[in-house]
Amino acid sequence: DAGVIQSPRHEVTEMGQEVTLRCKLISGHNSLFWYRQTMMRGLELLIYFNNNVPIDDSGMPEDRFSAKMPNASFSTLKIQPSEPRDSAVYFCASTGLAGGQFFGPGTRLTVL
Amino acid sequence: AQSVTQLDSHVSVSEGTPVLLRCNYSSSYSPSLFWYVQHPNKGLQLLLKYTSAATLVKGINGFEAEFKKSETSFHLTKPSAHMSDAAEYFCVVSDPGGYQKVTFGTGTKLQVIP
Repeated sequence: DAGVIQSPRHEVTEMGQEVTLRCKLISGHNSLFWYRQTMMRGLELLIYFNNNVPIDDSGMPEDRFSAKMPNASFSTLKIQPSEPRDSAVYFCASTGLAGGQFFGPGTRLTVL
Repeated sequence: AQSVTQLDSHVSVSEGTPVLLRCNYSSSYSPSLFWYVQHPNKGLQLLLKYTSAATLVKGINGFEAEFKKSETSFHLTKPSAHMSDAAEYFCVVSDPGGYQKVTFGTGTKLQVIP
């Protein structure tokens, strides 16, 4: 299995632009988590899905952030419009019934 | 409700000496517990997990952790540190199934001195 796949690995964009981060779950996993990691705030859970349904989005910073899971194996996190303070590493992780989250390699986002 | 406390933000050991990274948890249920490692500029890798089977759990790279319910602890140990162990380590608690929302500790940075 290829593990959790994230794209792009690096994204540099200008303030005000739309950013879309993508995540492909491990086959057979049914829960998907989006995290953001910064030096200042550490690892923060943004939102998680179970069986394609958003369960808890209380960590989403504001309305500029949205996440979707159009099918059982794929998710997107969109930031529109982006701001410099959104610069961070964004991880997605998936988990199945065996427990334990498996993380993707992350997307390093820089908003200028 | 669940929470996890990593008692040390930084730990420094000499190469070849034992490693102890401390973690205490609080949970309303019998929890699942995990340790993750993150090397600089890398993603998080699952080291080991406890899900109500054996209380002494062995993980990758020679690490192990012991679940002690009476002490609500899940400390991570390794008999002999390698330079490659230098990284940040996160203790994580989740509900019994382990497949719902989890709570991460604030992390412990391990420095290994040659």
